[in-house]
Amino acid sequence: NAGVTQTPKFRVLKTGQSMTLLCAQDMNHEYMYWYRQDPGMGLRLIHYSVGEGTTAKGEVPDGYNVSRLKKQNFLLGLESAAPSQTSVYFCASRNRDRGPYEQYFGPGTRLTVT
Amino acid sequence: AQSVTQLGSHVSVSEGALVLLRCNYSSSVPPYLFWYVQYPNQGLQLLLKYTSAATLVKGINGFEAEFKKSETSFHLTKPSAHMSDAAEYFCAVSYGGSQGNLIFGKGTKLSVKP
Repeated sequence: NAGVTQTPKFRVLKTGQSMTLLCAQDMNHEYMYWYRQDPGMGLRLIHYSVGEGTTAKGEVPDGYNVSRLKKQNFLLGLESAAPSQTSVYFCASRNRDRGPYEQYFGPGTRLTVT
Repeated sequence: AQSVTQLGSHVSVSEGALVLLRCNYSSSVPPYLFWYVQYPNQGLQLLLKYTSAATLVKGINGFEAEFKKSETSFHLTKPSAHMSDAAEYFCAVSYGGSQGNLIFGKGTKLSVKP
């Protein structure tokens, strides 16, 4: 079992460029999440999905889009990157039915926007 | 809005000393509670979780946490710090529901001095 994997691990973008971060999980989890981590801010929820074909906004969704075409994959897109999006991005997943809603995290993607 | 407060962004202890990391949550309804650890340049790993089965929860690596409803607290402790405990620790809560996301504290960075 690989658990939750994220691609790429590192990326440097110029302002205005676009990119897609890929999250994949092999645990057959229904719920998937994208967080960003900034120094002194903890982790903040960007978008989440409660199942294939569904997505919803979290706390800080502006500037990001997501898609969940397959149950095991959750994509995070930046259409026009800005320096404020420099951050570490974490994907997480969890089982729908079993509390206490523990989430399993990927290793993260470190993104720098210059 | 629900929130999680971690008192102290940096805590420094000597090797062999007691580790105490503080976490308070804002809701009058007891949530599910978690402590995650993040080692440098890595993802988040679950240390322990409170599921209402017992107020004293034991986790990995000798850590434990006690849920105190009257104080809305879930402090993390370890009797004797080890150099390998140096990391950032995050307290998180979940209230389940249709979203089921985790609300994170801002994190506490633990340093261990030889």
